[in-house]
Amino acid sequence: GQQLNQSPQSMFIQEGEDVSMNCTSSSIFNTWLWYKQDPGEGPVLLIALYKAGELTSNGRLTAQFGITRKDSFLNISASIPSDVGIYFCAGLNYGGSQGNLIFGKGTKLSVKP
Amino acid sequence: DSGVTQTPKHLITATGQRVTLRCSPRSGDLSVYWYQQSLDQGLQFLIQYYNGEERAKGNILERFSAQQFPDLHSELNLSSLELGDSALYFCASSANRGFGYTFGSGTRLTVV
Repeated sequence: GQQLNQSPQSMFIQEGEDVSMNCTSSSIFNTWLWYKQDPGEGPVLLIALYKAGELTSNGRLTAQFGITRKDSFLNISASIPSDVGIYFCAGLNYGGSQGNLIFGKGTKLSVKP
Repeated sequence: DSGVTQTPKHLITATGQRVTLRCSPRSGDLSVYWYQQSLDQGLQFLIQYYNGEERAKGNILERFSAQQFPDLHSELNLSSLELGDSALYFCASSANRGFGYTFGSGTRLTVV
């Protein structure tokens, strides 16, 4: 089945730093989505990308849909403490035995001690 | 509040038992999806319903079943529970294909 490789698995941030994470797939997707999950809560949609090459911003977040349709990245600029959480990429296709939305395993953002 | 309501929020039960998790989708959303999230794991797709009919199936165990009712709420039934079934179970809903899913806040199931 389709798999998404998300990296890094975890990272530590200091307030004010920029953060980058990415997601790659062995197959193409029609849509890429980025979600954030806080402890004990469900994932919340941050950004949705619908076209190859598309670059979309949502405040300090910027995401891109790769030209090959097999990858996407998410950047967070000037991080703040509330950015801490788990970020998931997700690829959306129509049909298939794994359902429509396939998730990466997440990137856990923590604050540097 | 995402608009997707899941009950109960927490559930503790013994091995071998059966439980039912409930989900009410956002108003107007016809599709309901169930996901399982184990500790430190990503979200594993279980099953999708669209307007009362099963539409797609993921890695759902035979001990698990689901249905979507005419009022569009959905129930996930987990039976013969094992310790390894302890996880967060999320329901999500969407209006149309191609749009992001809206997730509920989940049911935390603990099997003891």
